[in-house]
Amino acid sequence: EPEVTQTPSHQVTQMGQEVILHCVPISNHLYFYWYRQILGQKVEFLVSFYNNEISEKSEIFDDQFSVERPDGSNFTLKIRSTKLEDSAMYFCASNRGLETQYFGPGTRLLVL
Amino acid sequence: SQELEQSPQSLIVQEGKNLTINCTSSKTLYGLYWYKQKYGEGLIFLMMLQKGGEEKSHEKITAKLDEKKQQSSLHITASQPSHAGIYLCGADYNAGNMLTFGGGTRLMVKP
Repeated sequence: EPEVTQTPSHQVTQMGQEVILHCVPISNHLYFYWYRQILGQKVEFLVSFYNNEISEKSEIFDDQFSVERPDGSNFTLKIRSTKLEDSAMYFCASNRGLETQYFGPGTRLLVL
Repeated sequence: SQELEQSPQSLIVQEGKNLTINCTSSKTLYGLYWYKQKYGEGLIFLMMLQKGGEEKSHEKITAKLDEKKQQSSLHITASQPSHAGIYLCGADYNAGNMLTFGGGTRLMVKP
């Protein structure tokens, strides 16, 4: 069964450094999403992406964040200058639109 | 106030017992999704409900959406240790782009 994959599973970085989180959505899906979950808190929507552009973003997704689909299979989330409060589990999800979003296993980001 | 509230926050049941988890929205839902999360892992899709009054079942798990499409319940019959985890409801309010999640219900099943 096809699934969303994410790499790395864990990432430790110093405050102020740039990080790129990688996702490979399910191959015939057209809509891609990033969510985050700070430890002990709710899963929060960050951004949705369709047809090579952002379709919706939350207040969390400020200028420090960007997304890209650099080729036909990858979908990345970049945090330009990480802050301590960016420490969280980041989930990628995908769907074909107006149906179930399938989530990846997550990348646990720790900013020191 | 919160858009989407889950109750209870945590639940400990004896193996074999039935249980219900509730998810209440402050506004009408377009769709409601149930996911299960094991600690520190990804979200596993369980069920999606869209029509008022809809009910779906998979193995020993049944989910219902009320007629007004503002409340959903997840019912587990004859719970097993494999049912343990965090159950999350996710609301789609505007046909598809983003999900708003509840705070989760942490379920433990004692053998």
